[in-house]
Amino acid sequence: GQNIDQPTEMTATEGAIVQINCTYQTSGFNGLFWYQQHAGEAPTFLSYNVLDGLEEKGRFSSFLSRSKGYSYLLLKELQMKDSASYLCAVLDSNYQLIWGAGTKLIIKP
Amino acid sequence: DAGITQSPRHKVTETGTPVTLRCHQTENHRYMYWYRQDPGHGLRLIHYSYGVKDTDKGEVSDGYSVSRSKTEDFLLTLESATSSQTSVYFCAISQGERETDTQYFGPGTRLTVL
Repeated sequence: GQNIDQPTEMTATEGAIVQINCTYQTSGFNGLFWYQQHAGEAPTFLSYNVLDGLEEKGRFSSFLSRSKGYSYLLLKELQMKDSASYLCAVLDSNYQLIWGAGTKLIIKP
Repeated sequence: DAGITQSPRHKVTETGTPVTLRCHQTENHRYMYWYRQDPGHGLRLIHYSYGVKDTDKGEVSDGYSVSRSKTEDFLLTLESATSSQTSVYFCAISQGERETDTQYFGPGTRLTVL
């Protein structure tokens, strides 16, 4: 079967750095996406990785290792507004997105 | 803003009744999707469309049907609603012409089946 694993919940301090991990086992791989979802709202796109390595976009970076089936999302200089769920999703061989259950990130002052 | 609206935004219905949810987009995107989101689960694909009258099943299609008679509208119908279909339903579009293009989501419909 296909599986995407993320921690259920993480807590971090305002101004700090946090890394959210995602491991996957899917039938095929056509890219990995990270989305942010605030409570009661729709997911919004953060990043896309299809090649190994680090993609940096402002305070957010995303890393991919295809050989290890592993990705992480790195958030720097955390702000209270970063409190949200972070969703990892893999595009499989049928070009369908397989989603993790999400990581709820709690930011404390 | 990908120009996606969903209606209704909230609905309460009774077991056994048919329900139709509407997704409307204003930018002529080819690909449209319906997902459901439940606590403890990732988003799960119900059905998707790759053009007018072209649809296919996703992971959790049982009990659901879809129609796309116009590029801008993608309808999701629960033929006979059950309590297990209580969920938040999201519509999404891909902005490009390829299946690998990023998906953008509508605001969601919260459906409660009593």
